Amino acid sequence: DIVMTQSPDSLVVSLGERATINCKSSQSVLYSSNNKNYLAWYQQKPGQPPKLLIYWASIRESGVPDRFSGSGSGTDFTLTISSLQAEDVAVYYCQQYYSTPITFGQGTRLEIK
Amino acid sequence: QLLESGGGLVQPGGSLRLSCAASGFTFSSYAMNWVRQAPGKGLEWVSSISGSGDRTYYADSVKGRFTISRDSSKNTLYVQMNSLRADDTAVYYCVKEGTLAAKPYYFDSWGQGTLVTVSS
Repeated sequence: DIVMTQSPDSLVVSLGERATINCKSSQSVLYSSNNKNYLAWYQQKPGQPPKLLIYWASIRESGVPDRFSGSGSGTDFTLTISSLQAEDVAVYYCQQYYSTPITFGQGTRLEIK
Repeated sequence: QLLESGGGLVQPGGSLRLSCAASGFTFSSYAMNWVRQAPGKGLEWVSSISGSGDRTYYADSVKGRFTISRDSSKNTLYVQMNSLRADDTAVYYCVKEGTLAAKPYYFDSWGQGTLVTVSS
């Protein structure tokens, strides 16, 4: 199974500042035949189901604000929120879909300072 | 839209069937999934089924105990859960595949979830 490890576990950032969440996979999730990274990011606000933010490591889902961006390749990935807004308080998860079982990171809790 | 039902309290060793009514998209074109979240914990993928229903995938933790199925005439996804254990206690989300692939990739639509509690 591919193990996904996020860092940090929790993050406190001031409004308007940049927030960076890291995700590392235990093996590469880059599929060489199509040069795609099989990595997605989700946001889960309290009491709500998760919401897809990013797929193929860097493609923003329709309707997601452009302050959210994904980067990285192979085994190391980053979710960046360029200017933190109050509504961004949530837990963020990375997920690999390179192989089954599908696996998620343990989550990163983002709070406002 | 995805609307789960069937959750509740069940004793260890018991069974439960969850349903998910789907609307707003061509149900038979998309693989569907169950993802669960234990109270206060992270996300765990449980099972997936292809759009045609001929391919299924399971997490090792539920293999042999859970069976995923779908009825495209009713636009409904199911999971039959047998031999339930305390560690199956979780909110179970019905989740739509984000691509037209037969296997699970990323998930672009989630239901609100239904709580399953396994306890005596």
